[in-house]
Order: sequence, then C-alpha cells, then structure tokens
Amino acid sequence: NAGVTQTPKFQVLKTGQSMTLQCAQDMNHNSMYWYRQDPGMGLRLIYYSASEGTTDKGEVPNGYNVSRLNKREFSLRLESAAPSQTSVYFCASSEKTGENYGYTFGSGTRLTVV
Amino acid sequence: EDQVTQSPEALRLQEGESSSLNCSYTVSGLRGLFWYRQDPGKGPEFLFTLYSAGEEKEKERLKATLTKKESFLHITAPKPEDSATYLCAPSGSSNDYKLSFGAGTTVTVRA
Repeated sequence: NAGVTQTPKFQVLKTGQSMTLQCAQDMNHNSMYWYRQDPGMGLRLIYYSASEGTTDKGEVPNGYNVSRLNKREFSLRLESAAPSQTSVYFCASSEKTGENYGYTFGSGTRLTVV
Repeated sequence: EDQVTQSPEALRLQEGESSSLNCSYTVSGLRGLFWYRQDPGKGPEFLFTLYSAGEEKEKERLKATLTKKESFLHITAPKPEDSATYLCAPSGSSNDYKLSFGAGTTVTVRA
C-alpha cells in the first residue's frame, strides 16, 4: 500500500548511544517532516524538508540531525541519545509545504532511552 | 506565539450519546484547519480540512465546523469504533503554513 514507511518500530537505546530513524514515502511528495509525540504535549515538529536538498529546523531541533537522502527518504539521527528523547517519533509527508496540503503520517517509532 | 488548545482532554461516552470536541487556535492568517484521528499505536489519519469560517464537513458520524477562533468536531450517536484520539491542526501564515497540532481529545465510547 502507498504511504509512509518508518523503521524501526521500536528501539531501546542507552544514554549516549546514537541511532538513525529511517523514513520513506512512495507518493512522490515533495515535503517531509519529523515530529515527536509526548503525552499531553501533542505533536511537535523537529525538522522538515520542504523539497529535496533542503532541510529546516522546527520547534524542537536540539539533539537531532536530519538528511534528505533523495525525494523518497528523510532520516532523523540522534547523535548522543538522552532520556529526554524518549518519545514516539512520526514521519510525515505532503505534496508541498504551505497552503492547504495535508500530511500523511507513518506508523511511528517508539524510542526509549535508558 | 501560536497556540492550539483542545478540550476536553478526555471524553467518555455511552454508545449513542452525542457530544462535541473543541479546538481553539490563535494561528493568524489561517488557510486551513485539519482534523486527524489517531488510534493507539498508530500514526494520525486525515479526516477533514476546513478552509473558512462557517464551513462544515461531514464523514459518517463526524461533523466538523469552523469559526474564526475555534473548530468543533461533533460526534453524533457514536459507536465503540469511534474511540480514538482526535487531533486538530491549523495552518496559517504565522506558522509558515506548517501544521501546529493540539494535544488531542481522547474519546472512549462504551457499548
């Protein structure tokens, strides 16, 4: 089925370890996003990529880096994981950034940092 | 600063008991207000987009309405399968047309 695919679905890291969350979409969307979701706080934007070759910070970028590998793939990297980064991470895509383009979300990665 | 507030945080309904969820926002230059449904362990799923005050959209037992400062999601005669968290997200010039999400309202419908 067409959509947004995230891997892995679950991950446990020790403090200080690094890892990369992968995201791929097959809808030929130009824009891609990484959100984190914490209880009571809603979805918060970490980074986004309006188009291939561009990336920009969102609301909570500290401790993260991203790579827009090509039009399909947008990865999120934690260089030195901290317990505060325990969260559920969602990748999303849209035709474009701006105006009235809704997002399609992946199923999420549940990350625990111990 | 843009704010999106959803109320109530949680709503427990009996099957068939209609109710409404509220989304208040301060995003300026509104271009669209999006409603999503999220089931446990899954990503948000798109429901509606509302573009201007006075607009209404319907899907099965759900109806969304929009004013200049609020949006409402009305659930008519809900069924247990309507149990989910409902998220609203306005998009406007003050947030560069990216979606700003509320914390959601978790609806539980008992048979």
